Amino acid sequence: QQQVKQSPQSLIVQKGGISIINCAYENTAFDYFPWYQQFPGKGPALLIAIRPDVSEKKEGRFTISFNKSAKQFSLHIMDSQPGDSATYFCAASSTGTYKYIFGTGTRLKVLA
Amino acid sequence: SAVISQKPSRDICQRGTSLTIQCQVDSQVTMMFWYRQQPGQSLTLIATANQGSEATYESGFVIDKFPISRPNLTFSTLTVSNMSPEDSSIYLCSADGGIGTEAFFGQGTRLTVV
Repeated sequence: QQQVKQSPQSLIVQKGGISIINCAYENTAFDYFPWYQQFPGKGPALLIAIRPDVSEKKEGRFTISFNKSAKQFSLHIMDSQPGDSATYFCAASSTGTYKYIFGTGTRLKVLA
Repeated sequence: SAVISQKPSRDICQRGTSLTIQCQVDSQVTMMFWYRQQPGQSLTLIATANQGSEATYESGFVIDKFPISRPNLTFSTLTVSNMSPEDSSIYLCSADGGIGTEAFFGQGTRLTVV
C-alpha cells in the first residue's frame, strides 16, 4: 500500500514532442505528489508538485495531471528538449509525515 | 530553498572498513533523511534523523550497520559499517523544510566497496 508505481521505465522522444510519465498509488492518505528530475551524478531536484485539491498544475513546459478517483498522476513535458534528458521520479507523501515514497524512475532521452 | 553539501562525493573502500558521510545544510531543518540509490534504481529510505533523538530506521536497515548522528539542526552523518561489495551504491542526504514542502537533496556520495 506504500508503493508508488511508475511507468514507463524508459522513454525516447523526438525533440519538440510530448513526454508523458505516469504514476499510480494506493494509499489514500497521500496528499502531496512531487516530481523530481535527476541528472547523472547529481541529486534529485524538485521539478513540480501538486496537491489533490487541484486536477492540474502547469509550470512552463511541465504539467502535472492528477486524477484523485483513479489514484493516478502524470507528468507531461511539452516541447521536449535534449536538455530534458534525465531520470524522472514521482513521489508521494502525506501530511503528518515527512517521508517520501518514490516511484521506480523513468529514464527519458530526447533526441535532437 | 536549502542547499545541501555532502562529503565525500565518492570513495572506493576496502571491504570490512567503515565510511562516514557528512551532510551539511545551509539552513536549519527539522528532519533529515538518508537514502540509498542503487545505480539506475529508485531511492530507498534508510532512516530519518531528528536532532536530539535516535534515528528512525526503515525495514531492512539497522543501526549497527548504518549508525546516524544528528548533533544539530544543520548537520548529520551516516556511517556505513563493516562494508561489503553489496553496500556499493549512491547514498543521498535529504532535508525537509516542513510538512508537505519540498525535500532537498545533496549531490550524493558514490560508494564503491572492493
